[in-house]
Amino acid sequence: KAGVTQTPRYLIKTRGQQVTLSCSPISGHRSVSWYQQTPGQGLQFLFEYFSETQRNKGNFPGRFSGRQFSNSRSEMNVSTLELGDSALYLCASALRTDDNEQFFGPGTRLTVL
Amino acid sequence: GESVGLHLPTLSVQEGDNSIINCAYSNSASDYFIWYKQESGKGPQFIIDIRSNMDKRQGQRVTVLLNKTVKHLSLQIAATQPGDSAVYFCAESPNAGNMLTFGGGTRLMVKP
Repeated sequence: KAGVTQTPRYLIKTRGQQVTLSCSPISGHRSVSWYQQTPGQGLQFLFEYFSETQRNKGNFPGRFSGRQFSNSRSEMNVSTLELGDSALYLCASALRTDDNEQFFGPGTRLTVL
Repeated sequence: GESVGLHLPTLSVQEGDNSIINCAYSNSASDYFIWYKQESGKGPQFIIDIRSNMDKRQGQRVTVLLNKTVKHLSLQIAATQPGDSAVYFCAESPNAGNMLTFGGGTRLMVKP
């Protein structure tokens, strides 16, 4: 079956703009989590959604938001982009919210100029 | 494209040797510990997990050891192969599946 897909794969934005990233989980997976990966901070948890509800949120400012649709697809939005938001944004899906085996997508590489 | 830090600790091993990758975790309340492998240009891939009430768990060619006394986790890879070359991350979680906190990662390089 198809893996986790993320679109777009690469994105270039300028400071102050906003961006929306999309994630389609593996078919049947209802839990979707988002992570930010940077060379300096490593992999950091952003938020997790299950059945269209945000269950957990990491330590990120309110500029970072997300949502999940009834088909389990998820989007994350970053408003008022800053240079430090340049990162690889990874989406992971799992069958259940208590499933340790998360399946990651290839990520969206966001560059903020 | 690259997806990990530029100054990761690196472990270099000969093909066929065993590899041991270590990780120190920070939260004594963490209940689950997971190892992920990340190849260049890809997202992390689940390898194995262990719950805090265990000290050892084995998978296919991999073994995870947990020492809660010193908050240390290790991943042993038997008969390391070139395909094992990647960055390995440990992660901890207070509950199954939730809010993973990742370690900094170790780059494993396998020499043929």
